Amino acid sequence: NAGVTQTPKFQVLKTGQSMTLQCAQDMNHNSMYWYRQDPGMGLRLIYYSASEGTTDKGEVPNGYNVSRLNKREFSLRLESAAPSQTSVYFCASSEAGQRGTEAFFGQGTRLTVV
Amino acid sequence: AQSVSQHNHHVILSEAASLELGCNYSYGGTVNLFWYVQYPGQHLQLLLKYFSGDPLVKGIKGFEAEFIKSKFSFNLRKPSVQWSDTAEYFCAVNGGSGNTGKLIFGQGTTLQVKP
Repeated sequence: NAGVTQTPKFQVLKTGQSMTLQCAQDMNHNSMYWYRQDPGMGLRLIYYSASEGTTDKGEVPNGYNVSRLNKREFSLRLESAAPSQTSVYFCASSEAGQRGTEAFFGQGTRLTVV
Repeated sequence: AQSVSQHNHHVILSEAASLELGCNYSYGGTVNLFWYVQYPGQHLQLLLKYFSGDPLVKGIKGFEAEFIKSKFSFNLRKPSVQWSDTAEYFCAVNGGSGNTGKLIFGQGTTLQVKP
């Protein structure tokens, strides 16, 4: 059972380049999320998708776009990468709306923007 | 504003020592509370969660946490740590039923256990 799969695991970009982080889950969850993890700041929500066809901004959406391609897949795009976007990115999914359900996380993408 | 605060940023213990990591939250309404662990180079894994019932919850690997509603706290404990517990620990909260599942995380606590 794969759970949440993210690609790539590592990426180095030059300032101004674009890229898309891919995420897929096989747990039939309705909701999916993108977080970024920075030292001393925990994880912060970038965007989320409560259900297929909907997306909403989280705490730190600037510089990012997302696409909920179908129920399984939720991608994160950086249109013009900046050094401030150097971070570790985690995708997660959950069956939101039910009391006590937890989120399941992917392995993460370590992105460096130079 | 909704927030989670973890008191300890970096904890160093010897094996067999007892552990308590503090977590306080600010969140209106009913809450679901979680502790996640991130071992070096790995993704976040759920240690335990609380959403209703007995405020003392037990998780994997001998961890437990106590929800104290009056103190808005959800502290993590383990009676005797092992070297393999070296990891980063995150406390997180989201709303009760009907919520979107969005998590608010604390800053994280890095635990280093010396053999």
